[in-house]
Amino acid sequence: RKEVEQDPGPFNVPEGATVAFNCTYSNSASQSFFWYRQDCRKEPKLLMSVYSSGNEDGRFTAQLNRASQYISLLIRDSKLSDSATYLCVVSPTDSWGKLQFGAGTQVVVTP
Amino acid sequence: NAGVTQTPKFRVLKTGQSMTLLCAQDMNHEYMYWYRQDPGMGLRLIHYSVGEGTTAKGEVPDGYNVSRLKKQNFLLGLESAAPSQTSVYFCASGRGQGSGYTFGSGTRLTVV
Repeated sequence: RKEVEQDPGPFNVPEGATVAFNCTYSNSASQSFFWYRQDCRKEPKLLMSVYSSGNEDGRFTAQLNRASQYISLLIRDSKLSDSATYLCVVSPTDSWGKLQFGAGTQVVVTP
Repeated sequence: NAGVTQTPKFRVLKTGQSMTLLCAQDMNHEYMYWYRQDPGMGLRLIHYSVGEGTTAKGEVPDGYNVSRLKKQNFLLGLESAAPSQTSVYFCASGRGQGSGYTFGSGTRLTVV
């Protein structure tokens, strides 16, 4: 079983619509959680950290459910520029800062 | 502010050749990492370093060696390249537990 699992998609989303997707993680002791965005043939870039209380950054909302061991990302009012692969990232407690990456969820926003 | 710089950006090697990938960061980060990314598999950690002069094995270290002689540089070596090492290699640096990484733009390596 993979440490971090994501639905690979693609999620095809009309421009202006809302899309949400989850990621599950296997290590219950994980401490830190992030969403990264990766454009085609580019490096991953930090989108947002995920806090226990949930957090919002503009049109993006991230939630953490420790009991069920999943995190979620919701994108409201989708833009064409939101088309990308979204990587779920988890940091175990004993990690020396190491991060574990999911394989990514592809989002395609269509006009 | 350059962030994390990787060189080279592209390389084609013949089986059995050697090469070194260079990663340089100017953010004074203690922690540096080398990942490889293959289709459908996500990023997998090859080696990492928690400070100058230290290195440690990650998830897929076989066939690779690393060195961190200076805090700002982290080198990844392939002593005898194999086709299975065809991949995109990303270097990253960070402040450690609880913080995210900054990635370099990647090195696309093909071994024929």
